[in-house]
Amino acid sequence: EVQLLESGGGLVQPGGSLRLSCAGSGYTLINYAMTWVRQAPGKGLEWVSSITASGSTKYYADSVEGRFTVSRDNSDNTVYLQMNTLRAEDTAVYYCAAGGLQHNYAWDYWGQGTLVTVSS
Amino acid sequence: IVLTQSPGTLSLSPGERATLSCRASQSVSSLLAWYQQKPGQAPRLLIYDASNRATGIPARFSGSGSGTDFTLTISSLEPEDFAVYYCQQRGSWPRTFGQGTKVEVK
Repeated sequence: EVQLLESGGGLVQPGGSLRLSCAGSGYTLINYAMTWVRQAPGKGLEWVSSITASGSTKYYADSVEGRFTVSRDNSDNTVYLQMNTLRAEDTAVYYCAAGGLQHNYAWDYWGQGTLVTVSS
Repeated sequence: IVLTQSPGTLSLSPGERATLSCRASQSVSSLLAWYQQKPGQAPRLLIYDASNRATGIPARFSGSGSGTDFTLTISSLEPEDFAVYYCQQRGSWPRTFGQGTKVEVK
């Protein structure tokens, strides 16, 4: 079974940058499309970004387009989210999720989340 | 695509039937999933492609619908089913979630 572990969250000032990592274990992520989803405190789920299994295609929410970059290193079994020009409204728990053929690419494996707080 | 879930909150007792609705602003075919989230936990996939239970999900959870109207039914609520439920579409980009339905103990 795929296990995902996010890291890299923390407190950052507005305008700053952070890089989140999502490390896979128990199984290779090479066959999985990977997604980042966030949840602001007390709010619902918001899709942020997705990357195909090969890494050749990336998608972004309008709210992060041009500021966030998703990437993956299949040799290291890790997916990244580079977040630049952070805003207060980016404050959230960030989850990575994996979708594979078993459930037709629905997001069936999730990490525990990492908290990003953007504040001065 | 905007997903609208109703009701916002469902107050029920254990053993009762729960019916949750998700309506899409345009057709997503059958490319809709349901997730359950408990406080402090990551979401868990329940249903994919509108009506398929994910691995390990109990048979009391069922999904139906296609196009723009979808339903998640919990046939008889167990204590562990009280949580927030989200629908999510992958019919087009950007992927979107509904705002969630909270199922609480009456």
